[in-house]
Amino acid sequence: QVHLVESGGGLVKPGGSLRLSCAASGFRFSDYYMSWIRQAPGKGLEWVAYITSSSAYRNYADSVRGRFTISRDNAKNTLYLQMNSLRDEDTAVYFCARDNNHNMDVWGQGTTVTVSS
Amino acid sequence: EIVLTQSPAILSLSPGERATLSCRASQSVSVDLAWFQQKRGQAPRLVVYDASNRANGIPARFSGSGSGTDFTLTIGGLEAEDFGVYYCQQRTSWPRTFGQGTRLEIK
Repeated sequence: QVHLVESGGGLVKPGGSLRLSCAASGFRFSDYYMSWIRQAPGKGLEWVAYITSSSAYRNYADSVRGRFTISRDNAKNTLYLQMNSLRDEDTAVYFCARDNNHNMDVWGQGTTVTVSS
Repeated sequence: EIVLTQSPAILSLSPGERATLSCRASQSVSVDLAWFQQKRGQAPRLVVYDASNRANGIPARFSGSGSGTDFTLTIGGLEAEDFGVYYCQQRTSWPRTFGQGTRLEIK
């Protein structure tokens, strides 16, 4: 069964850092592009970052460019999101999603990041 | 950035009725548009991709249509499990953007 499980969320002070992980199972992880998407409390969905299967290409939302880094370890079937210089407005549930022909067809359950002093 | 505008913001219908949700793009996205369903406390679920293709496991009562800038998601014969928030999303250009959502609620 295809499965994505995020972890690494928590409470962090403004300016702090956090690394999220997304463990994949049930499919050949190395064949797929992946994305991170977030959802602030009571708000809609915001795409955050994207990475190709070989990590050759990455792209970011302007709101996180220069502060967040998406990466992956295909040997460990794991996607990462390194988040630095965190701000209050980064508070959200962070989802990872499989990118299947540029359609996000499988999503994890999300991990919550709270940025607060 | 392509802006997606969904209407209505809230749609109140009874089980068995037909739901029509709209998504308008600020510029053409061809057919590079998807619809997602999200229930409270859950992750979004892909419903339709490439404007009109149902995702795996999605019932035939869901249908998508449109191209260019105007898109519609139709749910024929609403069932209790269909209520939630629906988002459209484009993948034709970066950044990928989502609409603000339509809340489909039980009347």
